[in-house]
Amino acid sequence: NAGVTQTPKFRILKIGQSMTLQCAQDMNHNYMYWYRQDPGMGLKLIYYSVGAGITDKGEVPNGYNVSRSTTEDFPLRLELAAPSQTSVYFCASSPTGGNQPQHFGDGTRLSIL
Amino acid sequence: SQKIEQNSEALNIQEGKTATLTCNYTNYSPAYLQWYRQDPGRGPVFLLLIRENEKEKRKERLKVTFDTTLKQSLFHITASQPADSATYLCAPRDYGQNFVFGPGTRLSVLP
Repeated sequence: NAGVTQTPKFRILKIGQSMTLQCAQDMNHNYMYWYRQDPGMGLKLIYYSVGAGITDKGEVPNGYNVSRSTTEDFPLRLELAAPSQTSVYFCASSPTGGNQPQHFGDGTRLSIL
Repeated sequence: SQKIEQNSEALNIQEGKTATLTCNYTNYSPAYLQWYRQDPGRGPVFLLLIRENEKEKRKERLKVTFDTTLKQSLFHITASQPADSATYLCAPRDYGQNFVFGPGTRLSVLP
């Protein structure tokens, strides 16, 4: 019973490099989310998706892109890494939105140097 | 803009006592409020949900209250144990696509 799986767990990037953070869920959830968590700042929503082929911006989308070609996968892409993107990134899913509990992966710790 | 505050960044209590964590929100009218637990190096885990028309919700040693007049939720852990040490996040929810979390309170239960 995997739930939400994120890869990689850790990554160090140089300024200007690109990378894709992977997220997969096996619960057949319609909604998926990407958050970043900085110390003392709580979780900030980057992008979310309400189903395959549909994505929308959250509170802090600049510098990121997403796609949702299947129900299971929701990758997050950083095109030109900047030091301000150093953070812990969490992917989550829920059956629908509203009051539904979100199920989180264990995060990707990303450092941009 | 919406603002969510949790009483303090860190809270230390003695084992066996009741821990009370506070979540306050402004410029927001949530219909529900969720509480999550987050352990170091892990993602948040859902604990409880309370609806706006519910004053109180209980689950084992956990109790949550929701006062829409005060714009506040209280989260209580009774007979606290060292294993309850974690960061607790509140997450007000409305009927739209607002997915926000409070900054969290780090609880340490001392033996």
